[in-house]
Amino acid sequence: DAGITQSPRHKVTETGTPVTLRCHQTENHRYMYWYRQDPGHGLRLIHYSYGVKDTDKGEVSDGYSVSRSKTEDFLLTLESATSSQTSVYFCAISNTGPDDQPQHFGDGTRLSIL
Amino acid sequence: QQQVKQSPQSLIVQKGGISIINCAYENTAFDYFPWYQQFPGKGPALLIAIRPDVSEKKEGRFTISFNKSAKQFSLHIMDSQPGDSATYFCAASKSGNTPLVFGKGTRLSVIA
Repeated sequence: DAGITQSPRHKVTETGTPVTLRCHQTENHRYMYWYRQDPGHGLRLIHYSYGVKDTDKGEVSDGYSVSRSKTEDFLLTLESATSSQTSVYFCAISNTGPDDQPQHFGDGTRLSIL
Repeated sequence: QQQVKQSPQSLIVQKGGISIINCAYENTAFDYFPWYQQFPGKGPALLIAIRPDVSEKKEGRFTISFNKSAKQFSLHIMDSQPGDSATYFCAASKSGNTPLVFGKGTRLSVIA
């Protein structure tokens, strides 16, 4: 398995609170991604990073922010969590790019917002 | 606008049979087409991938068929086994380090 650790693995929180999810990799890969997975929607890209401090928005970025201050860590923050953000969040990594190297996924964080 | 359409949503196949999952894409700039397999509680794992310069790629019991003119590609699982029961996602991306766009997934159940 690719060295990807997501934390926490499970979290329950209340509407309006800030939440930060962490993705840590030991592969020294350049690219990191955050997806959310919801029934009937597959995986949808939230944000991705193509290097330290270099990030870009994905399809469903509203309400989310990211930061990458070092190669191995990519943080996803929900500034003020809403019930619509209840989901399973996956981090993925790839090296030179998704068309050169496959994306490898972590095992996800199940987030419930009450 | 859904860029990658996947069908069926669910599939039940007898052990030893052939499982077929289909995907269609809109963007002709896509040139990388992977399939991912996901078991409950785990992240998706790359199964097999193809580029448009070939029409078919086979790895063990798994085959991707690609039809560039129809903008379609499919996954065939030969001799399906109960251990193949999982959710399968097709995806696509453009060259130039762009992220993957995923289909909505197919839940496969292989019954004995």
